[in-house]
Amino acid sequence: GQNIDQPTEMTATEGAIVQINCTYQTSGFNGLFWYQQHAGEAPTFLSYNVLDGLEEKGRFSSFLSRSKGYSYLLLKELQMKDSASYLCAVPGAGSYQLTFGKGTKLSVIP
Amino acid sequence: KAGVTQTPRYLIKTRGQQVTLSCSPISGHRSVSWYQQTPGQGLQFLFEYFSETQRNKGNFPGRFSGRQFSNSRSEMNVSTLELGDSALYLCASSLDGTGPQETQYFGPGTRLLVL
Repeated sequence: GQNIDQPTEMTATEGAIVQINCTYQTSGFNGLFWYQQHAGEAPTFLSYNVLDGLEEKGRFSSFLSRSKGYSYLLLKELQMKDSASYLCAVPGAGSYQLTFGKGTKLSVIP
Repeated sequence: KAGVTQTPRYLIKTRGQQVTLSCSPISGHRSVSWYQQTPGQGLQFLFEYFSETQRNKGNFPGRFSGRQFSNSRSEMNVSTLELGDSALYLCASSLDGTGPQETQYFGPGTRLLVL
């Protein structure tokens, strides 16, 4: 089976940096996804990591450690529009379903 | 390119009724997955279709079913609705389902309220 754990809520200040952690347990590893979901909207793809290390994409970076079953999403220069839920997800071994964590609700305050 | 579209966007039903939701994937995408999202359980996988065949199914009762048409459009059906079926139903498409690492693109969802 698969299990994903993320903090439920986080608060950070506009302009700051925030790190959202995700730990996972999976029987077979096929990479890890991060999605952003604004309230009432569809999840949108942010990143996909399959190899260890940090991948940077503008203000957002994602890190993966396969040996530790750990990933984080790093958001720099926070803006008010970054207030959203951030979902960590892993695909199943040999299947096409995504198992999602329950998401981390990030609130960016002035 | 147009994104994933879902209809209807909002739906109110009563217990015992049935409902059919529709999803049109991104043009050229052949894999369609369905998810249920609730505040308590988060996003949970329902099933996935590719080339009109169901390849994977999540842990939901048989009241939840789906199908895919030759043009890759998909429908899901929930029969004998229960209050607990109230949720946001999300459809996601990916290109050709060559592997679980393929990015899935989500539609806006159908919000179902069961009274």
